[in-house]
Amino acid sequence: AQSVAQPEDQVNVAEGNPLTVKCTYSVSGNPYLFWYVQYPNRGLQFLLKYITGDNLVKGSYGFEAEFNKSQTSFHLKKPSALVSDSALYFCAVRDATGGSYIPTFGRGTSLIVHP
Amino acid sequence: NAGVTQTPKFQVLKTGQSMTLQCAQDMNHEYMSWYRQDPGMGLRLIHYSVGAGITDQGEVPNGYNVSRSTTEDFPLRLLSAAPSQTSVYFCASSYSRATTSNGYTFGSGTRLTVV
Repeated sequence: AQSVAQPEDQVNVAEGNPLTVKCTYSVSGNPYLFWYVQYPNRGLQFLLKYITGDNLVKGSYGFEAEFNKSQTSFHLKKPSALVSDSALYFCAVRDATGGSYIPTFGRGTSLIVHP
Repeated sequence: NAGVTQTPKFQVLKTGQSMTLQCAQDMNHEYMSWYRQDPGMGLRLIHYSVGAGITDQGEVPNGYNVSRSTTEDFPLRLLSAAPSQTSVYFCASSYSRATTSNGYTFGSGTRLTVV
């Protein structure tokens, strides 16, 4: 079985400050991990992924995420937040060993960046 | 522009009515899927297809039917709409179900209200 948890329903940050959106996961084997962003009234957009290799993954719009196997976490980060980063963020995981190949999505975290 | 197209964008149904949500992609993706998004619930998989003529159930399939007669199209049918089916529906696709290169491509969603 696989699962993903986003412990914060909402994250508030001031523009220019660093931001972190948290994600923890559980899989039987090795994880494939993803972050998606959803802007209002839009579909989800792929941001970045971790498959293997470097634990720090860089993605679109200046976002990055750090894979931590011992803490089973994949937190999304950005050094300097923009008001335009305000959106709903989803973490997703699937087991790299196969199975159904279908990812499990978290419940989402609403990021609000204040001017 | 290449991508996933969903129609309609908005729909109001009366309880007991049936309707079809349309999804089409022009990227020659083998894998297509339907999700529903509800507040605090994240994304839940309804049905998916790994290729033309092949469909399977996801986490919440009851009350929904799908078919995949072509690679491009993957319609979702509500047989007898119920208020519990009020939700935002997303279609997503990828080259194959094991694709991890860029995650899924999502449509912009259909907001359905059942009264």
